[in-house]
Amino acid sequence: AQRVTQPEKLLSVFKGAPVELKCNYSYSGSPELFWYVQYSRQRLQLLLRHISRESIKGFTADLNKGETSFHLKKPFAQEEDSAMYYCALSGQNFNKFYFGSGTKLNVKP
Amino acid sequence: GAVVSQHPSRVICKSGTSVKIECRSLDFQATTMFWYRQFPKQSLMLMATSNEGSKATYEQGVEKDKFLINHASLTLSTLTVTSAHPEDSSFYICSARQNTGELFFGEGSRLTVL
Repeated sequence: AQRVTQPEKLLSVFKGAPVELKCNYSYSGSPELFWYVQYSRQRLQLLLRHISRESIKGFTADLNKGETSFHLKKPFAQEEDSAMYYCALSGQNFNKFYFGSGTKLNVKP
Repeated sequence: GAVVSQHPSRVICKSGTSVKIECRSLDFQATTMFWYRQFPKQSLMLMATSNEGSKATYEQGVEKDKFLINHASLTLSTLTVTSAHPEDSSFYICSARQNTGELFFGEGSRLTVL
């Protein structure tokens, strides 16, 4: 069965510190992985996807098929990064999307 | 970016009544939309996949007669919670999929059943 696991419900770091939000997945085929972010009082929005290999707002994520992970990283966290982050998985035809339980990132000044 | 509008954002109803929630893609056509349910401090639970012009595909454990989904046009999907009960109170979120695979989310609808 498809599953996305985000082991941390809450992650608190100080401004300027590195941050890594963990995501592990299980999927029988070739997955498409995404990170979605939800800022306070806003709707969910796409942060990045693994196939684009972009760095968005300083965040990167590498798909590690051996470890079945797609951890989100940023070398220097900013206060405006405080938000809920959801890791999501889809098949290559994007016919379904499954979300992890989310990690709340709190960046302290 | 693309915009998805969900309406109503909040609804309160009496037990036993039915409630309809609309999800519209405002500036793109979406052959596929998804309906999620989110419990407090929990993740989004996929309820069903709504396909334009065909029947929705429901996830295991989701009652199709309870949660009616209609996707009659390329820009509109509706979720009707029939004979609502207090346990149906939740936050319902829709998303529309672009051809690129990117999802655009509605703002969510909070249903409270008294």
